[in-house]
Amino acid sequence: DAGITQSPRHKVTETGTPVTLRCHQTENHRYMYWYRQDPGHGLRLIHYSYGVKDTDKGEVSDGYSVSRSKTEDFLLTLESATSSQTSVYFCAISRGTSGETGRRFFGPGTRLTVL
Amino acid sequence: AQKITQTQPGMFVQEKEAVTLDCTYDTSDPSYGLFWYKQPSSGEMIFLIYQGSYDQQNATEGRYSLNFQKARKSANLVISASQLGDSAMYFCAMREPTKTSYDKVIFGPGTSLSVIP
Repeated sequence: DAGITQSPRHKVTETGTPVTLRCHQTENHRYMYWYRQDPGHGLRLIHYSYGVKDTDKGEVSDGYSVSRSKTEDFLLTLESATSSQTSVYFCAISRGTSGETGRRFFGPGTRLTVL
Repeated sequence: AQKITQTQPGMFVQEKEAVTLDCTYDTSDPSYGLFWYKQPSSGEMIFLIYQGSYDQQNATEGRYSLNFQKARKSANLVISASQLGDSAMYFCAMREPTKTSYDKVIFGPGTSLSVIP
């Protein structure tokens, strides 16, 4: 158990509304990630963070922003939600240990529906 | 270009039989890592097995083994003695090095496995 929680776990919203998803970790890991999962695409990286206030874009970052003001929290914001952002969102961390570099530890996921 | 290919969108296997889930990858870097994750219907992502590109032997973890064929760029997951609880989506993933300390990981589209009693 990597001590990762996500909130909310489920959300239904309407097109054009802002949405913020929260990821919280208890282990003080430097790297945190936001992925979205869609059928036929696996998981795709939206944004990642390598420290407080240090973030960078992933492969599908358009329409998303992130913030990390504390080590334990990584927020994903959809400024104006669209139906194409209906997806399951996973937060993840990496522990930076040798031998399995790149292994991700995932939160439970958030199912977002944009109507 | 797709860097991780899983050509089997869905597969069926009889309980207690072995099954192989295919994964091919594309990279020009000699240093990389390969992962398999399981996602049951409950939705959580579960790490199964890891293979480093320099590892001499195929990785094994209980009933899971990774058939690593470097020259063919394939990293197939073998599940022996399938159980009903193995019914899930399975994702292959690859880590590539980057110029920064960030380790880039790419996921395949997944294979849905159904175990038949």
